[in-house]
Amino acid sequence: EPEVTQTPSHQVTQMGQEVILRCVPISNHLYFYWYRQILGQKVEFLVSFYNNEISEKSEIFDDQFSVERPDGSNFTLKIRSTKLEDSAMYFCASSLSGHTNEKLFFGSGTQLSVL
Amino acid sequence: EDQVTQSPEALRLQEGESSSLNCSYTVSGLRGLFWYRQDPGKGPEFLFTLYSAGEEKEKERLKATLTKKESFLHITAPKPEDSATYLCAVGNTNAGKSTFGDGTTLTVKP
Repeated sequence: EPEVTQTPSHQVTQMGQEVILRCVPISNHLYFYWYRQILGQKVEFLVSFYNNEISEKSEIFDDQFSVERPDGSNFTLKIRSTKLEDSAMYFCASSLSGHTNEKLFFGSGTQLSVL
Repeated sequence: EDQVTQSPEALRLQEGESSSLNCSYTVSGLRGLFWYRQDPGKGPEFLFTLYSAGEEKEKERLKATLTKKESFLHITAPKPEDSATYLCAVGNTNAGKSTFGDGTTLTVKP
């Protein structure tokens, strides 16, 4: 079965550094998402992306965050200047058409640790 | 604002002991209620989507039901491999955004 792949699986960075988290969504999917899960907390929506632009974003997704689809297969999340509170598991997801009643396919996540 | 509340937080069962997990929701314009399974260190894995009150779906030992205010995930004769965190989420009127509950961590002891 096709799957969403994320790299790296773990990322350790110093506060104030830039990080880029990478994802390869399922090839025929059109909508892409980033969610995050702080340890012990719920999965939280960050941003959805369609047709090379942001479709929706949450309050968490401030100016320090950006997303990009640099080529036909990769989808990235950049955090410009990391903070301690950015430490979390970041999940990429994709869906076929983006309908709100459609299931999401999640990757295994990137565990980001900001020191 | 959409809200999803799951109970209990944790559930410990003996193998073969059936039980139910609850998901209560408040949402403006339900577009779908989702159940996911999440294993430690992994991303959520889709189980079911329910669209309207009265709907039921089954998969192996799991059965999901939906009313206008809540959903139940019934687990019949669970096995140790059913141990995981079960997440409930609601899709709202905007494309792609799902609001998740805190999850119920199920442990099934042999």
